[in-house]
Amino acid sequence: EIVLTQSPGTLSLSPGERTTLSCRASQSVSSSYVAWYQHKPGQAPRLLIYDASNRATGIPDRFSGSGSGTDFTLTISRLEPEDFAVYYCQQYGSSPLTFGGGTKVEIK
Amino acid sequence: EVQLVESGGGLVQPGRSLRLSCAASGFTFDDYAMHWVRQAPGKGLEWVSGISWNGGNIGYADSVKGRFTISRDNAKNSLYLQMFSLTAEDTAFYFCAKGRGDFWKYYFDYWGQGTLVTVSS
Repeated sequence: EIVLTQSPGTLSLSPGERTTLSCRASQSVSSSYVAWYQHKPGQAPRLLIYDASNRATGIPDRFSGSGSGTDFTLTISRLEPEDFAVYYCQQYGSSPLTFGGGTKVEIK
Repeated sequence: EVQLVESGGGLVQPGRSLRLSCAASGFTFDDYAMHWVRQAPGKGLEWVSGISWNGGNIGYADSVKGRFTISRDNAKNSLYLQMFSLTAEDTAFYFCAKGRGDFWKYYFDYWGQGTLVTVSS
C-alpha cells in the first residue's frame, strides 16, 4: 500500500498569500496518478487536480499541481476567502487507492 | 448537474447491519464506476469500496473485506453499501463518489455530501 504523507498539517495564512502544499508518497506513484481535493465541513469534497497537474472542470487557474515519482505539490497562487479548507491528495497508481492525511489551510 | 445523494446512515449497535444508498443523477450512471469513501471523526479520507459500471469488477479495502458488500442498480441509478458486523471503527461519514479512470486506477470527480454512520451501544 502506498502511504501518502501531507505536510504541513496546518497552514495559517491570509487572503492574497501564495501557498504550496506537499504530498510525499512512500513509493513512486506510477504515471503521476495523483489527485487533489478540497473539502469544507458539511460539504462534498471537490476535485481540483488529476494526473498530478490537470485542473478539473471549473477549477480556477490559481490552483496548480505538479510533481512526479514520490513528491507532489498543490500550489494556490493567491488565496481567496473561499479557499480556506482542508486539502487531500490521493494516489490511484496502485491498489488500494489511498489518501493523504490532509492539510488544513486556515485564516490567520 | 451531477448530483449524488446518500441516505441510510444513522445510529446502530455494534454487531448490527446497515444499508447505505446513493441516488445519482445528472450523468449516464451506467457509464461509470462508483465508489464509497469514508471519513472517521477527526480523520482523513479512506477508500472503502468500488464497483465497475456493470458490477463485474468489485474491490474492497482490507478493513471492510468480508463485512461490506457493494452493489448497484443501473435501472434505478443507485449505488448501495450493505454493511455487516459493524464496529465502532466503522463510525464515519460515508461518501458516494463517481469514479474516473481505468480499472482500479480511479480518482473521483464528483462526490455526495455524505451520510453519517455511528456505531455505538
